[in-house]
Amino acid sequence: SQTIHQWPATLVQPVGSPLSLECTVEGTSNPNLYWYRQAAGRGLQLLFYSVGIGQISSEVPQNLSASRPQDRQFILSSKKLLLSDSGFYLCAWSVGTPEAFFGQGTRLTVV
Amino acid sequence: DQQVKQNSPSLSVQEGRISILNCDYTNSMFDYFLWYKKYPAEGPTFLISISSIKDKNEDGRFTVFLNKSAKHLSLHIVPSQPGDSAVYFCAAAANNNDMRFGAGTRLTVKP
Repeated sequence: SQTIHQWPATLVQPVGSPLSLECTVEGTSNPNLYWYRQAAGRGLQLLFYSVGIGQISSEVPQNLSASRPQDRQFILSSKKLLLSDSGFYLCAWSVGTPEAFFGQGTRLTVV
Repeated sequence: DQQVKQNSPSLSVQEGRISILNCDYTNSMFDYFLWYKKYPAEGPTFLISISSIKDKNEDGRFTVFLNKSAKHLSLHIVPSQPGDSAVYFCAAAANNNDMRFGAGTRLTVKP
């Protein structure tokens, strides 16, 4: 069966520090991978999606970037965090259908 | 640009009664619609979906209705149970592409 791992679960980082969130998927090949963010009291905003290694599409201009160095690995990064980057970050995968399956999320607090 | 809208941020229902969660969309290219359920500090879990070629899909206590002419869908939960208390997200996709989410509706089912 397929599983998705996302870490860390919580993170507190100072403004201006770098960020690296990692997500890996097991049990499937060539998944579509997604990074979403849920800001406090708001819905899920699509940040990045990837249909293959090295293929990244960005939905909104922002302080973040994403990379897909391996088929089942998706990384969300920032060189310098802003206060507005605080939120709940979710990695998700899908194969063949629009239904995406989510990881447990990372609560990022920028202080 | 909010292509998927959930205009009710919250809904409170008595246990055993019906819960009706509503969702509107603006993009006529959407051809697949999904509902996700989310508990605090967890990733959303897929609940039920419907293709645009149908107007109803039922799975146990959960039924999704789609009105394409009105660009409206709804999720019915009957009978509602306290364990159904969560945030429900409506999502839509076009041509098997990435999902766009609404802002979510917090459902509270009172015993």
